[in-house]
Amino acid sequence: GNSVTQMEGPVTLSEEAFLTINCTYTATGYPSLFWYVQYPGEGLQLLLKATKADDKGSNKGFEATYRKETTSFHLEKGSVQVSDSAVYFCALYGGRGSQGNLIFGKGTKLSVKP
Amino acid sequence: EPEVTQTPSHQVTQMGQEVILRCVPISNHLYFYWYRQILGQKVEFLVSFYNNEISEKSEIFDDQFSVERPDGSNFTLKIRSTKLEDSAMYFCASSQLAGGSRDEQYFGPGTRLTVT
Repeated sequence: GNSVTQMEGPVTLSEEAFLTINCTYTATGYPSLFWYVQYPGEGLQLLLKATKADDKGSNKGFEATYRKETTSFHLEKGSVQVSDSAVYFCALYGGRGSQGNLIFGKGTKLSVKP
Repeated sequence: EPEVTQTPSHQVTQMGQEVILRCVPISNHLYFYWYRQILGQKVEFLVSFYNNEISEKSEIFDDQFSVERPDGSNFTLKIRSTKLEDSAMYFCASSQLAGGSRDEQYFGPGTRLTVT
């Protein structure tokens, strides 16, 4: 079945460091891919999405490119801020034979120190 | 900006008791969902609801669970007889304006359920 695997956390970075959070997926067909973010005490917020191969989703300085050849959707940001401290979830939707629901990775906790 | 709301934020209950978790989805959305996250584990799909009936459900969503949209705004998840393993964060979500995209799901802040 469809699944998402993302790198284990926690990840601790200094402000202005480069961020990569790896995400790979298993799916048949053509799923849409997402990154959600959960700030402390809040719900899951859609950060960015990509719906087909080679699409790049971007928002708030974060980017991720849908790579079908490597089945990956890694999240990157060139210069993190303390306010980026949160838990980041990679997710997929759709794909052949799937239910109409999101499939999530375990989440990666990011802490950014000043 | 419209948002999904959930109440209560934290619910503590004794094993065997019934609980009802409440959600107010974004108005004019057509699909409603419940997910849960057991501490340290993945966010898991429970059920989706459309046109006043369940459209999909996972293996987790057994006879102990039920969902309802009792009026035009609320969407509830009921657990009839809670077990210790039901302790988790429960997220409600909604999606798709008519003619829009179903894949963009908007989540509430969650209800933390603790079963003792």
